[in-house]
Order: sequence, then structure tokens, then C-alpha cells
Amino acid sequence: NAGVTQTPKFQVLKTGQSMTLQCAQDMNHEYMSWYRQDPGMGLRLIHYSVGAGITDQGEVPNGYNVSRSTTEDFPLRLLSAAPSQTSVYFCASSSYTETGELFFGEGSRLTVL
Amino acid sequence: KQEVTQIPAALSVPEGENLVLNCSFTDSAIYNLQWFRQDPGKGLTSLLLIQSSQREQTSGRLNASLDKSSGRSTLYIAASQPGDSATYLCAVRGGRSTGANSKLTFGKGITLSVRP
Repeated sequence: NAGVTQTPKFQVLKTGQSMTLQCAQDMNHEYMSWYRQDPGMGLRLIHYSVGAGITDQGEVPNGYNVSRSTTEDFPLRLLSAAPSQTSVYFCASSSYTETGELFFGEGSRLTVL
Repeated sequence: KQEVTQIPAALSVPEGENLVLNCSFTDSAIYNLQWFRQDPGKGLTSLLLIQSSQREQTSGRLNASLDKSSGRSTLYIAASQPGDSATYLCAVRGGRSTGANSKLTFGKGITLSVRP
């Protein structure tokens, strides 16, 4: 019963490096999303997708790219990491209905030096 | 723009107390409201989901209510235990101002400490 799986759990990057945070769900959910959580700022939506091949921007999309080639996977790419991207990142998914319950992964803690 | 507020930011109570956590939102045209629990260093765990047509949902010692017209929800925890210590977040889905029925707006959470 995996649910939403995120990898890696921890990552340290240097400024300017790129990396991809992986997210996979096995619940056949159409809707997937990425959030970042920072002290005092709460959860902020980065990007979301309502189905394979469809993505859209959230509140804080700059510096991040996403793609959705399959229903199961929704990777988040940092193109050129900056210290301001130090955060905890959460992937979440739900069925794409107005009534869908949102399920979260365990999070990925990223530090950019 | 939908805004979700949770006050106070932190709460400390003795074990055994019944308590109420509040959540308010500015746009009442929501599809549902969800309460989550987050333990330190962990992800968010869904506690209760209330659809816009419902007034309340119950799970064990937890009861959540929804009053769309006033833009409020409460999470009631009966007979609190030290194991209930965590951060509790509410999130609303949709709203006229969000532009998409898929978007959720989160409150910043209430950090609850239950003292033995």
C-alpha cells in the first residue's frame, strides 16, 4: 500500500546544480501537485497537473519545471539551484474530482549551499 | 484570492481536555475542506474530509464541522492525549477566486501540545 512515494528524502546541492525530485503514486490519481513548506510561510503550491500531458503553475513556479508523461509520475526539476530553494518539498495527489481527498508523500528535504 | 486562517498558531493543553481547533476561509464557494495532521519531520496525514454539502464528519475522537456561509470549520478533539501533539492544518478546495476547482489553499496550521 505505497500511496505517494517521494525520492530522495534528503539532498544537499551546491548553488547552480540541477536535480530532480521524484514523485510516484499508485492510486491512479489524475491530480498531482508539488508544494514547498517553509517556516512561517506554510505550504505553497509550486506546480500541479490534472492529468498526463497537462501541467500548470501554482503560486511559486519560478526556478522549477515539471512534466507529466504518465499518470503515475510527476517529477519536479530544479534547473539551477539557489539557496532560496532550500525547503521541504511535498508531493500530493488526489482523484480529479471536486470531492477528491488529497494524499501526501513523506517529503524531500533539500538544502542548497 | 482564497485565504485560510488558523488561530492561534500554537496551543498547549493538559491531557484529557476536550479542545476545538478553528479554521476560517474568505471565499465560501468551496468544494470541500480537509483537515490534516503533521508530525515533526513528516508528511501530512489526512484526518477528515468534509464535502461542501456536508455539515460534519467524524472519525474516532475527532469531529470536524463545516459552516460554509460563515466561512468556518472546527476540528473537535475529545479527551486529548499526548499522542495528539502535532500540527493540524486545514485546507479548502476551490473557491471562486482560485480559478480552478483543483486548487487547495492551506492554513499555516496550529501546533498542539498535550501535556501529560
